[in-house]
Amino acid sequence: QKEVEQNSGPLSVPEGAIASLNCTYSDRVSQSFFWYRQYSGKSPELIMSIYSNGDKEDGRFTAQLNKASQYVSLLIRDSQPSDSATYLCAVNKAGGSYIPTFGRGTSLIVHP
Amino acid sequence: DVKVTQSSRYLVKRTGEKVFLECVQDMDHENMFWYRQDPGLGLRLIYFSYDVKMKEKGDIPEGYSVSREKKERFSLILESASTNQTSMYLCASSPAGTHNEKLFFGSGTQLSVL
Repeated sequence: QKEVEQNSGPLSVPEGAIASLNCTYSDRVSQSFFWYRQYSGKSPELIMSIYSNGDKEDGRFTAQLNKASQYVSLLIRDSQPSDSATYLCAVNKAGGSYIPTFGRGTSLIVHP
Repeated sequence: DVKVTQSSRYLVKRTGEKVFLECVQDMDHENMFWYRQDPGLGLRLIYFSYDVKMKEKGDIPEGYSVSREKKERFSLILESASTNQTSMYLCASSPAGTHNEKLFFGSGTQLSVL
């Protein structure tokens, strides 16, 4: 089992809808969780980070973390065509080396 | 803003050539990383470094080596390039400290080995 799992998609949503992106991880001692957005031909950029159970909101983005279920999600409200990208989930494990493990990414397409 | 600069955006090399990919960061970060990214496989860690002259293997180090002689510079070396090393290579850096630190990425080098 891969350490960080994401559905590769593509996830297609209409403009204005809520896009829901999901990620599961296998290591229970994971401490911090990140969502990176990567446009085609570009490098990843951080859009959200979350460290505690619950929700964290930043503008149209909400990250949700459930450590008991080993599940982290990203909700994008009022999706725009400019949100079309690949979204990478990354997880930092506890102990010594804080090296993020990345999922394979979910491709999101927001159509007008 | 943190800037991570990769020396080449596109690179074409021949099988068997020795290839150097250079990465420089300007924010005095202790940690530096080299990833490769292939369609459907996501980001895979090749090597990382926590300090000058220090290096650790990642998940796929075979066929690669690295050098970190100065804090700001982390080089990836393909000793004898092969076609299966055709990929997008991403360098990243982060400050030392807690588990909360995000990665800052360079713009990537698309390497084609013919």
